[in-house]
Amino acid sequence: DIQMTQSPSSVFASVGDRVTITCRASQDISSWLAWYQQKPGKAPKLLIYDASTLQSGVPSRFSGSGSGTDFTLTITSLQPEDFATYYCQQANSFPRTFGQGTKVEI
Amino acid sequence: EAQLVESGGGLVQPGGSLRLSCAASGFTFSSFWMSWVRQAPGKGLEWVANLKGDRSDMYSADSVKGRFTISRDNAKNSLYLQINSLRAEDTAVYYCARHRIVGSIWGADAFDIWGLGTMVTVSS
Repeated sequence: DIQMTQSPSSVFASVGDRVTITCRASQDISSWLAWYQQKPGKAPKLLIYDASTLQSGVPSRFSGSGSGTDFTLTITSLQPEDFATYYCQQANSFPRTFGQGTKVEI
Repeated sequence: EAQLVESGGGLVQPGGSLRLSCAASGFTFSSFWMSWVRQAPGKGLEWVANLKGDRSDMYSADSVKGRFTISRDNAKNSLYLQINSLRAEDTAVYYCARHRIVGSIWGADAFDIWGLGTMVTVSS
């Protein structure tokens, strides 16, 4: 199975800050990576797929980059509604696996 | 608008069984692979199993092989998960989710539509 490791596990930030979350795969997954946002008590929401393609309706302050084993999710100018937990997920092979999550906190 | 609604969760004793359902609307259900993903309380996301639109192919996590069975009824726009021999570690919110690419799970795959989830609690 492909292991996905996110860092940091949590980050404290303020409105307007730039936040970067990294995700590392245990083997090459090309660009087959997705990012999700999850708020407490809610279902995950797809933000980015194919490492850098923004899902329809997602604000442009979210961006993704990377390929191979190393990926990043960047949120420029953090908004109050962005405080949530973020997960990466590899789409290269089965079983699909997720990172452990990164909580963005005030 | 595409929508998924899960049901069937509840409290069950260890060793018991449950059948979860997921009702789909707003899209051509039979054209999409569908998955179940679970999340234990306070924990991360774990993919469980998926099933092709025409039911001809499927994958499942090793942790549930032999105990969980995924199925679908395209005439009813519904996805199911039969869960048997339940263990405490199966306690989780179970989500159904749609694979975003029509007819495929390869390439730029991701889960683009999620239900609200249904809670399964395994306890005596």
